[in-house]
Amino acid sequence: GNSVTQMEGPVTLSEEAFLTINCTYTATGYPSLFWYVQYPGEGLQLLLKATKADDKGSNKGFEATYRKETTSFHLEKGSVQVSDSAVYFCALSTGANNLFFGTGTRLTVIP
Amino acid sequence: DVKVTQSSRYLVKRTGEKVFLECVQDMDHENMFWYRQDPGLGLRLIYFSYDVKMKEKGDIPEGYSVSREKKERFSLILESASTNQTSMYLCASSSTALKETQYFGPGTRLLVL
Repeated sequence: GNSVTQMEGPVTLSEEAFLTINCTYTATGYPSLFWYVQYPGEGLQLLLKATKADDKGSNKGFEATYRKETTSFHLEKGSVQVSDSAVYFCALSTGANNLFFGTGTRLTVIP
Repeated sequence: DVKVTQSSRYLVKRTGEKVFLECVQDMDHENMFWYRQDPGLGLRLIYFSYDVKMKEKGDIPEGYSVSREKKERFSLILESASTNQTSMYLCASSSTALKETQYFGPGTRLLVL
């Protein structure tokens, strides 16, 4: 079946620290992979995506590379800011209408 | 700007009540979704709809029903609310052309007493 496993957290970092949130997946076929972010009091919004192996998605300084050999899509940012504090969800799609989400990782960045 | 709105941010209901959660999108999207979000469980799909009057069960449809009478509106119904339905409910929509990108509403936090 299809599933996503991500680092549970919570993660607490100081401003300007390096961020990695791990995500691995199990899927039939060739999925597309996503990171969604949920800021406090808001719904989820798409942060970045990659649709095939070795693609790199990037947005707002965040990056993730689709690694088929390790079935991973780890989220990274070189220097986090307080405004990056949010819950991050890894997700996959196999081409049908719905997405499969991980459990979410809460990130808190302290000044 | 794309917009998905949900009728309430917070709701408190009693066990056994019938509860309606409304979701409206203004993007002319074909697909609409209802999820519930619980700590440690992430988002779980309750129902989705890919067209007016069409619906498909998601992973956890038990205790819920849905209605899609108009393209822009997707309602989630709890026929007889129970305490284990206390949760955050998120509505989302997507277009068939770009179906993998879902747009979410702000969520409704439901407390069933």
